[in-house]
Amino acid sequence: DQQVKQNSPSLSVQEGRISILNCDYTNSMFDYFLWYKKYPAEGPTFLISISSIKDKNEDGRFTVFLNKSAKHLSLHIVPSQPGDSAVYFCAASAEGGSEKLVFGKGTKLTVNP
Amino acid sequence: EPEVTQTPSHQVTQMGQEVILRCVPISNHLYFYWYRQILGQKVEFLVSFYNNEISEKSEIFDDQFSVERPDGSNFTLKIRSTKLEDSAMYFCASSVSEFYGELAGVEQFFGPGTRLTVL
Repeated sequence: DQQVKQNSPSLSVQEGRISILNCDYTNSMFDYFLWYKKYPAEGPTFLISISSIKDKNEDGRFTVFLNKSAKHLSLHIVPSQPGDSAVYFCAASAEGGSEKLVFGKGTKLTVNP
Repeated sequence: EPEVTQTPSHQVTQMGQEVILRCVPISNHLYFYWYRQILGQKVEFLVSFYNNEISEKSEIFDDQFSVERPDGSNFTLKIRSTKLEDSAMYFCASSVSEFYGELAGVEQFFGPGTRLTVL
């Protein structure tokens, strides 16, 4: 039951370039979407979120885009830095976010100096 | 900056033994959660807790699992009789969970996790 899919297990980019991480979802009840970053042996760290009433949210180097009709969201990191190297998880929630988070499998981002 | 803390960081136990994993959520948060991540797999929801009762649980959260908020700060997950397949990272999370429409407020903040190894 893959309600949230991250189809790219890994992504490698050069420092300074843009990183684009993609996520698709199937459940139309989802109305809140989040991106988390995870280093090995640590818990997921919240990065940025977006509610379904918006199509873009920006926070510094991080921008999340939501395309509801395509049930697709993406995280853009510009410019990418070596410290961004981590596993990035897309997560979704229904009914305002107090519900459980449903996670994708994650994409391992490597930013090369 | 306030954070979610978890103890212990690593717990090794024998199959059939009881374990209690402890969490201290962020102090003004209202919702509390447990998730787990089996090695190489996705993070999975176990249970959510609000107003001193379970608000939702997954099919993973069977009768072997229980949660408790024994005082004003701690939130615990108990596994009564551990199985080999319970070996995983267990993450506690908390959120304010007041939905402000466009504004933030529902993000869940995670602790560093407890690695449970069942032998």
